[in-house]
Amino acid sequence: EPEVTQTPSHQVTQMGQEVILRCVPISNHLYFYWYRQILGQKVEFLVSFYNNEISEKSEIFDDQFSVERPDGSNFTLKIRSTKLEDSAMYFCASRDQGRSYGYTFGSGTRLTVV
Amino acid sequence: EDQVTQSPEALRLQEGESSSLNCSYTVSGLRGLFWYRQDPGKGPEFLFTLYSAGEEKEKERLKATLTKKESFLHITAPKPEDSATYLCAVTNFGNEKLTFGTGTRLTIIP
Repeated sequence: EPEVTQTPSHQVTQMGQEVILRCVPISNHLYFYWYRQILGQKVEFLVSFYNNEISEKSEIFDDQFSVERPDGSNFTLKIRSTKLEDSAMYFCASRDQGRSYGYTFGSGTRLTVV
Repeated sequence: EDQVTQSPEALRLQEGESSSLNCSYTVSGLRGLFWYRQDPGKGPEFLFTLYSAGEEKEKERLKATLTKKESFLHITAPKPEDSATYLCAVTNFGNEKLTFGTGTRLTIIP
């Protein structure tokens, strides 16, 4: 069964450093997303991406965050200057078009900012 | 703003003891209601999408139903491997994002 792949599975970084989280969505999907889940809290939307541009973003997704689809397969989330409160699980998701759609999530990257 | 409330927060059942999880929602024009399963340290695993009141979907021991205000996830004769957190989420016609509830942590005791 097709799956969304995320790397790395765990990233530890120092406060103020830049991190890039990587995702390979399902190959025929056209819509891409990043979500995050702080430990013990609900899954929160960060950003959606379609046709090589951001289609929607949340209040969390401020100027410190950016997304990119550098080639035909990868989808990345960059955090420019990490803060302690950025520590969370980050999930990439993708979906195809059509009414019978489901959002497929990756296994996540656990980001720890120290 | 879309809101999703799940109850109970946690549920412990004996193996074989059937029960239901609740998801109440407030949304401006429901496009879809989603159920996901999440194991510790993993991403949400898609179970069902429901689109309109009265719709029902089944998969193995799970059955999801939808009304205009809430959805139920019925679990029949559960097994220990059904232990997980079950998440409910909605989308509306105005945007792309999933709005999640806090989940129900289900534990099935052998």
